[in-house]
Amino acid sequence: KAGVTQTPRYLIKTRGQQVTLSCSPISGHRSVSWYQQTPGQGLQFLFEYFSETQRNKGNFPGRFSGRQFSNSRSEMNVSTLELGDSALYLCASSPRQGAGELFFGEGSRLTVL
Amino acid sequence: AQRVTQPEKLLSVFKGAPVELKCNYSYSGSPELFWYVQYSRQRLQLLLRHISRESIKGFTADLNKGETSFHLKKPFAQEEDSAMYYCALTNSGNTGKLIFGQGTTLQVKP
Repeated sequence: KAGVTQTPRYLIKTRGQQVTLSCSPISGHRSVSWYQQTPGQGLQFLFEYFSETQRNKGNFPGRFSGRQFSNSRSEMNVSTLELGDSALYLCASSPRQGAGELFFGEGSRLTVL
Repeated sequence: AQRVTQPEKLLSVFKGAPVELKCNYSYSGSPELFWYVQYSRQRLQLLLRHISRESIKGFTADLNKGETSFHLKKPFAQEEDSAMYYCALTNSGNTGKLIFGQGTTLQVKP
């Protein structure tokens, strides 16, 4: 099976812009969750989607949003980018909701200038 | 507050020496504990979970609810064990939200 695929792998944006990141889960996996990884804060949970519904949300401002499509693919969007949004954004999939066994992608590295 | 603490940023041992990566947690409820590992240039992957009580690549971890700890141990370290190790917890059966520790880099010297 192909692993979790994230696109784009690298991107550079400027403050105030918005960005959309994409994640394709492992075939058959219906749960997708997103994490932000930074040197200072480590890995922090953003949100989890299952069957096109957001099931859980972390402590991030409303500028961070996401969605899941009927084929389980997911996107996350960050609007009005700030310098502090520079991070590695990791997507993870799981065959069922609420599972701690996550299969991670390689991440999308966002740099905000 | 829910928290996972890994007190060591870096643990350096010689090949063949025992390894113990420490993890302490703060959680009210019934947590599930995990160890994730990231080898150089590879993606983050699950190493083991406490409910399966199995040994993976020679590593074991026992959940100690009294001490709220979930330390990762291996009796004889190998060079290929060098990696970043993350302890994580989630609310049992409720959510896919994982709370991660800050990670410990294990360096196994030849």
